[in-house]
Amino acid sequence: EPEVTQTPSHQVTQMGQEVILRCVPISNHLYFYWYRQILGQKVEFLVSFYNNEISEKSEIFDDQFSVERPDGSNFTLKIRSTKLEDSAMYFCASSEDRGAPDTQYFGPGTRLTVL
Amino acid sequence: AQSVTQLGSHVSVSEGALVLLRCNYSSSVPPYLFWYVQYPNQGLQLLLKYTSAATLVKGINGFEAEFKKSETSFHLTKPSAHMSDAAEYFCAVSGSAGNMLTFGGGTRLMVKP
Repeated sequence: EPEVTQTPSHQVTQMGQEVILRCVPISNHLYFYWYRQILGQKVEFLVSFYNNEISEKSEIFDDQFSVERPDGSNFTLKIRSTKLEDSAMYFCASSEDRGAPDTQYFGPGTRLTVL
Repeated sequence: AQSVTQLGSHVSVSEGALVLLRCNYSSSVPPYLFWYVQYPNQGLQLLLKYTSAATLVKGINGFEAEFKKSETSFHLTKPSAHMSDAAEYFCAVSGSAGNMLTFGGGTRLMVKP
Protein backbone atom coordinates (compact mmCIF):
# COMPACT_ATOMS: atom_id res chain seq x y z
CA GLU A 1 0.00 0.00 0.00
CA PRO A 2 1.41 3.44 -0.91
CA GLU A 3 2.46 5.56 2.03
CA VAL A 4 3.89 8.95 2.86
CA THR A 5 7.50 8.79 4.01
CA GLN A 6 9.50 11.37 5.97
CA THR A 7 13.18 11.84 6.65
CA PRO A 8 14.88 12.08 9.01
CA SER A 9 12.87 10.50 11.80
CA HIS A 10 14.68 12.65 14.34
CA GLN A 11 16.61 15.88 13.81
CA VAL A 12 18.59 17.69 16.48
CA THR A 13 19.80 21.20 15.74
CA GLN A 14 21.17 24.26 17.46
CA MET A 15 19.03 27.36 17.86
CA GLY A 16 19.49 29.68 14.88
CA GLN A 17 20.39 26.92 12.45
CA GLU A 18 18.45 26.12 9.31
CA VAL A 19 16.73 22.76 8.99
CA ILE A 20 15.04 21.06 6.07
CA LEU A 21 12.50 18.35 6.71
CA ARG A 22 11.78 16.06 3.81
CA CYS A 23 8.68 14.21 2.73
CA VAL A 24 7.79 11.94 -0.17
CA PRO A 25 4.02 12.13 -0.68
CA ILE A 26 1.97 9.38 -2.30
CA SER A 27 2.78 9.52 -6.00
CA ASN A 28 -0.60 10.41 -7.55
CA HIS A 29 -1.57 12.90 -4.85
CA LEU A 30 -1.98 16.56 -5.67
CA TYR A 31 -2.34 18.28 -2.27
CA PHE A 32 0.49 18.35 0.23
CA TYR A 33 0.44 19.51 3.82
CA TRP A 34 2.62 20.11 6.86
CA TYR A 35 1.34 19.88 10.41
CA ARG A 36 3.17 20.00 13.70
CA GLN A 37 2.55 18.76 17.21
CA ILE A 38 4.36 20.33 20.11
CA LEU A 39 4.72 17.82 22.94
CA GLY A 40 1.50 17.63 24.92
CA GLN A 41 -0.42 19.91 22.56
CA LYS A 42 -2.78 19.54 19.61
CA VAL A 43 -1.76 18.69 16.06
CA GLU A 44 -1.69 22.08 14.30
CA PHE A 45 -1.95 22.87 10.61
CA LEU A 46 0.97 24.77 9.10
CA VAL A 47 0.52 24.92 5.35
CA SER A 48 -1.08 23.28 2.32
CA PHE A 49 0.44 23.22 -1.17
CA TYR A 50 -1.31 22.64 -4.49
CA ASN A 51 -0.29 23.15 -8.08
CA ASN A 52 3.17 24.36 -7.03
CA GLU A 53 2.00 27.09 -4.74
CA ILE A 54 0.81 27.58 -1.19
CA SER A 55 -2.92 27.02 -1.01
CA GLU A 56 -3.46 27.93 2.62
CA LYS A 57 -1.29 28.70 5.62
CA SER A 58 -1.80 29.26 9.31
CA GLU A 59 -0.57 32.08 11.52
CA ILE A 60 2.24 29.78 12.66
CA PHE A 61 3.66 29.65 9.14
CA ASP A 62 5.57 32.93 9.23
CA ASP A 63 8.56 34.13 7.20
CA GLN A 64 10.83 31.67 8.98
CA PHE A 65 9.07 28.81 7.21
CA SER A 66 9.02 27.88 3.54
CA VAL A 67 7.92 24.90 1.50
CA GLU A 68 9.11 23.59 -1.80
CA ARG A 69 8.53 20.76 -4.20
CA PRO A 70 12.02 20.63 -5.71
CA ASP A 71 11.29 17.69 -7.98
CA GLY A 72 8.45 15.36 -8.87
CA SER A 73 8.59 13.38 -5.67
CA ASN A 74 9.86 15.39 -2.69
CA PHE A 75 8.08 18.02 -0.61
CA THR A 76 10.19 19.94 1.88
CA LEU A 77 9.67 22.21 4.85
CA LYS A 78 12.48 24.63 5.63
CA ILE A 79 12.87 26.52 8.87
CA ARG A 80 15.42 29.27 8.30
CA SER A 81 16.51 30.11 11.81
CA THR A 82 15.23 27.63 14.35
CA LYS A 83 13.95 28.68 17.75
CA LEU A 84 13.53 26.62 20.89
CA GLU A 85 9.76 26.74 20.41
CA ASP A 86 10.08 25.05 17.00
CA SER A 87 10.80 21.80 18.82
CA ALA A 88 7.91 19.53 17.82
CA MET A 89 6.88 16.53 15.78
CA TYR A 90 6.34 17.59 12.17
CA PHE A 91 3.93 15.57 10.05
CA CYS A 92 3.68 15.63 6.29
CA ALA A 93 0.43 14.58 4.61
CA SER A 94 -0.92 14.29 1.09
CA SER A 95 -4.33 13.87 -0.54
CA GLU A 96 -5.65 13.05 -3.98
CA ASP A 97 -8.08 15.93 -4.52
CA ARG A 98 -11.00 13.68 -5.36
CA GLY A 99 -13.44 16.13 -3.90
CA ALA A 100 -14.61 16.70 -0.38
CA PRO A 101 -14.09 15.12 2.01
CA ASP A 102 -10.55 14.51 0.86
CA THR A 103 -8.65 11.97 2.94
CA GLN A 104 -5.25 13.16 4.06
CA TYR A 105 -2.64 10.44 4.44
CA PHE A 106 0.03 11.17 7.03
CA GLY A 107 3.66 10.23 7.28
CA PRO A 108 5.29 8.94 10.49
CA GLY A 109 6.66 12.35 11.39
CA THR A 110 10.03 13.98 12.04
CA ARG A 111 10.83 14.84 15.61
CA LEU A 112 12.71 18.16 15.63
CA THR A 113 14.66 19.06 18.74
CA VAL A 114 16.12 22.55 18.94
CA LEU A 115 18.82 23.02 21.58
CA ALA B 1 -13.76 29.05 12.04
CA GLN B 2 -13.65 25.46 13.17
CA SER B 3 -12.74 23.77 16.41
CA VAL B 4 -12.83 20.31 17.93
CA THR B 5 -13.06 19.29 21.55
CA GLN B 6 -12.28 15.79 22.72
CA LEU B 7 -13.52 15.11 26.22
CA GLY B 8 -11.08 13.02 28.20
CA SER B 9 -7.39 13.05 27.34
CA HIS B 10 -7.13 9.51 28.75
CA VAL B 11 -9.71 6.73 28.63
CA SER B 12 -9.17 3.32 30.18
CA VAL B 13 -11.36 0.30 29.43
CA SER B 14 -11.14 -3.40 30.06
CA GLU B 15 -10.62 -5.79 27.19
CA GLY B 16 -14.04 -6.70 25.78
CA ALA B 17 -15.71 -3.56 27.12
CA LEU B 18 -17.38 -0.84 25.08
CA VAL B 19 -15.12 1.92 23.81
CA LEU B 20 -16.59 5.43 23.67
CA LEU B 21 -14.40 8.37 22.69
CA ARG B 22 -16.12 11.73 22.61
CA CYS B 23 -15.75 14.46 20.00
CA ASN B 24 -17.65 17.71 19.70
CA TYR B 25 -17.07 20.18 16.92
CA SER B 26 -17.97 23.66 15.89
CA SER B 27 -17.98 24.78 12.29
CA SER B 28 -19.38 27.71 10.36
CA VAL B 29 -19.88 25.50 7.29
CA PRO B 30 -21.19 21.95 6.94
CA PRO B 31 -18.34 19.96 8.40
CA TYR B 32 -16.38 17.01 7.17
CA LEU B 33 -15.36 14.95 10.18
CA PHE B 34 -12.59 12.42 10.63
CA TRP B 35 -11.20 10.08 13.23
CA TYR B 36 -7.51 9.22 13.05
CA VAL B 37 -5.54 6.76 15.18
CA GLN B 38 -1.86 7.00 16.04
CA TYR B 39 0.05 3.96 17.23
CA PRO B 40 3.41 4.51 18.93
CA ASN B 41 6.12 5.76 16.56
CA GLN B 42 3.73 5.79 13.62
CA GLY B 43 1.86 8.43 11.63
CA LEU B 44 -1.82 9.23 11.81
CA GLN B 45 -3.99 6.57 10.19
CA LEU B 46 -7.54 7.26 9.06
CA LEU B 47 -10.16 5.24 10.94
CA LEU B 48 -13.26 6.71 9.31
CA LYS B 49 -14.74 9.87 7.86
CA TYR B 50 -18.15 11.51 7.69
CA THR B 51 -19.17 12.21 4.11
CA SER B 52 -22.76 13.41 4.72
CA ALA B 53 -24.09 10.31 2.95
CA ALA B 54 -25.00 8.57 6.19
CA THR B 55 -24.93 9.70 9.79
CA LEU B 56 -23.58 6.35 11.04
CA VAL B 57 -20.14 5.77 9.63
CA LYS B 58 -18.31 2.47 9.81
CA GLY B 59 -14.54 2.39 9.78
CA ILE B 60 -11.68 -0.02 10.07
CA ASN B 61 -11.00 -2.36 13.00
CA GLY B 62 -14.67 -2.46 14.05
CA PHE B 63 -14.93 1.23 14.91
CA GLU B 64 -17.89 3.39 14.01
CA ALA B 65 -19.01 6.96 14.65
CA GLU B 66 -22.34 8.72 14.55
CA PHE B 67 -22.77 12.28 13.31
CA LYS B 68 -25.35 14.15 15.38
CA LYS B 69 -25.87 17.62 14.05
CA SER B 70 -28.19 18.66 16.88
CA GLU B 71 -25.50 17.78 19.41
CA THR B 72 -22.56 18.84 17.19
CA SER B 73 -20.99 15.52 18.05
CA PHE B 74 -19.13 12.73 16.28
CA HIS B 75 -18.37 10.20 18.99
CA LEU B 76 -16.31 7.10 18.20
CA THR B 77 -17.41 3.71 19.46
CA LYS B 78 -16.40 0.08 19.35
CA PRO B 79 -18.52 -2.63 20.98
CA SER B 80 -15.63 -4.70 22.32
CA ALA B 81 -12.13 -3.39 22.99
CA HIS B 82 -9.03 -5.37 22.06
CA MET B 83 -5.57 -4.91 23.50
CA SER B 84 -4.43 -3.85 20.03
CA ASP B 85 -6.77 -0.83 20.18
CA ALA B 86 -4.48 0.89 22.67
CA ALA B 87 -3.37 4.06 20.88
CA GLU B 88 -4.05 7.77 20.64
CA TYR B 89 -7.19 8.81 18.80
CA PHE B 90 -7.72 12.17 17.14
CA CYS B 91 -10.95 13.74 15.93
CA ALA B 92 -10.61 16.34 13.18
CA VAL B 93 -12.81 18.64 11.13
CA SER B 94 -12.35 20.30 7.76
CA GLY B 95 -14.49 22.58 5.67
CA SER B 96 -13.77 21.44 2.13
CA ALA B 97 -11.50 19.44 -0.13
CA GLY B 98 -7.82 20.27 0.17
CA ASN B 99 -8.53 22.21 3.32
CA MET B 100 -6.69 22.21 6.56
CA LEU B 101 -7.70 19.75 9.23
CA THR B 102 -8.41 21.14 12.66
CA PHE B 103 -7.64 18.53 15.29
CA GLY B 104 -8.88 17.90 18.78
CA GLY B 105 -6.42 17.38 21.58
CA GLY B 106 -6.46 13.60 21.25
CA THR B 107 -7.56 10.82 23.57
CA ARG B 108 -5.18 8.13 24.70
CA LEU B 109 -7.02 4.82 24.95
CA MET B 110 -5.67 2.25 27.36
CA VAL B 111 -7.01 -1.30 27.34
CA LYS B 112 -6.62 -3.40 30.48
CA PRO B 113 -6.46 -7.18 30.29
